[in-house]
Amino acid sequence: DADVTQTPRNRITKTGKRIMLECSQTKGHDRMYWYRQDPGLGLRLIYYSFDVKDINKGEISDGYSVSRQAQAKFSLSLESAIPNQTALYFCATSDPTGFTDTQYFGPGTRLTVL
Amino acid sequence: DQQVKQNSPSLSVQEGRISILNCDYTNSMFDYFLWYKKYPAEGPTFLISISSIKDKNEDGRFTVFLNKSAKHLSLHIVPSQPGDSAVYFCAAIGSGNTGKLIFGQGTTLQVKP
Repeated sequence: DADVTQTPRNRITKTGKRIMLECSQTKGHDRMYWYRQDPGLGLRLIYYSFDVKDINKGEISDGYSVSRQAQAKFSLSLESAIPNQTALYFCATSDPTGFTDTQYFGPGTRLTVL
Repeated sequence: DQQVKQNSPSLSVQEGRISILNCDYTNSMFDYFLWYKKYPAEGPTFLISISSIKDKNEDGRFTVFLNKSAKHLSLHIVPSQPGDSAVYFCAAIGSGNTGKLIFGQGTTLQVKP
């Protein structure tokens, strides 16, 4: 079984709809992250959480919100989806040891906003 | 403002030859640099990293070189194999172990049999 899972894997929605992307992990890591990937731009950080009570904005948080329901669960919400939020979304986890803080990614959610 | 740049969107090499993927950065405060590999329909997976106090790190067929004066790093894969065909992302992390990775745009590597 995958250590980091994301649901749904694919989603098509309409402009103005509210949508939630969910991430679960069995790695026991405290740190969790949400990224989006756009062609030609690499991965950009949306939000991150270092524990259940800690939520931080990333590089591109406008239009998004998150909820850390438990150590293992971190959800990303689009309150009112717009077409330029069409992208590939990745959840990641990490447990910093040493100094590299290697991140482990889920398989991604492909979101299309019409 | 792109702090980590991969200026080559794609690279094609013959099986058995060396693949060299390049990455430039602008922030001299980065402490660690990492390479991730991504196959279609999968999330990125960690490949290799290097500390800013090193100039080389090797792991099997993969070697990362860091040139701090030029703010440049490169990933060498030798010999290249068809299974290495993927998108490669360079990433950097700032001081203080903030966990915030800054990624380059990615380079698509194709290794031809």
